[in-house]
Amino acid sequence: GIQVEQSPPDLILQEGANSTLRCNFSDSVNNLQWFHQNPWGQLINLFYIPSGTKQNGRLSATTVATERYSLLYISSSQTTDSGVYFCAVKDGYGQNFVFGPGTRLSVLP
Amino acid sequence: GAGVSQSPSNKVTEKGKDVELRCDPISGHTALYWYRQSLGQGLEFLIYFQGNSAPDKSGLPSDRFSAERTGGSVSTLTIQRTQQEDSAVYLCASSPTRLAGGPSYEQYFGPGTRLTVT
Repeated sequence: GIQVEQSPPDLILQEGANSTLRCNFSDSVNNLQWFHQNPWGQLINLFYIPSGTKQNGRLSATTVATERYSLLYISSSQTTDSGVYFCAVKDGYGQNFVFGPGTRLSVLP
Repeated sequence: GAGVSQSPSNKVTEKGKDVELRCDPISGHTALYWYRQSLGQGLEFLIYFQGNSAPDKSGLPSDRFSAERTGGSVSTLTIQRTQQEDSAVYLCASSPTRLAGGPSYEQYFGPGTRLTVT
């Protein structure tokens, strides 16, 4: 099945810094999502982005489907950005989503 | 509108007992997923329902796990003879109708049920 990797596994930032999180996947996908899991465990949709670029406030994402990766950019980070960021993909064959292992982000005041 | 809801939010049970976890998807969403997340880990797919089609059960870890979806809406995940390794957060997600031949749509997650088996 499709494999998903995320990097870095852990990231510590000072408030106000920028960061880039990466998601690599092993096969073609027709669905890719980025999620933020807050410290209370709730998974929050950030982007549905099987290809192209999207922006939402301080966050933006780019997926280059032909090269099998996606990037999540966080600018001017805030302490509320802390948590775990997951990417999840689905290929055209399977019915289930495959999640990456996540990037744990800590933003310090 | 209302999001995905799950109940109970927390469940503590003794080893060997059966438990039922409930998921109410977003109204009109035809796809429903169950996942399991162990402490500090990523999400593990369990089962997928799409409309009236036969569910994809490929992620269920053993025959002690089963799930049903009544009337294409509410779903129940049942774990029989619970074991300590079943302790985890069980997450449910739903997504809108998938057009034939079209791309999959985004998932929306519920708050999860934290299961502790003592």
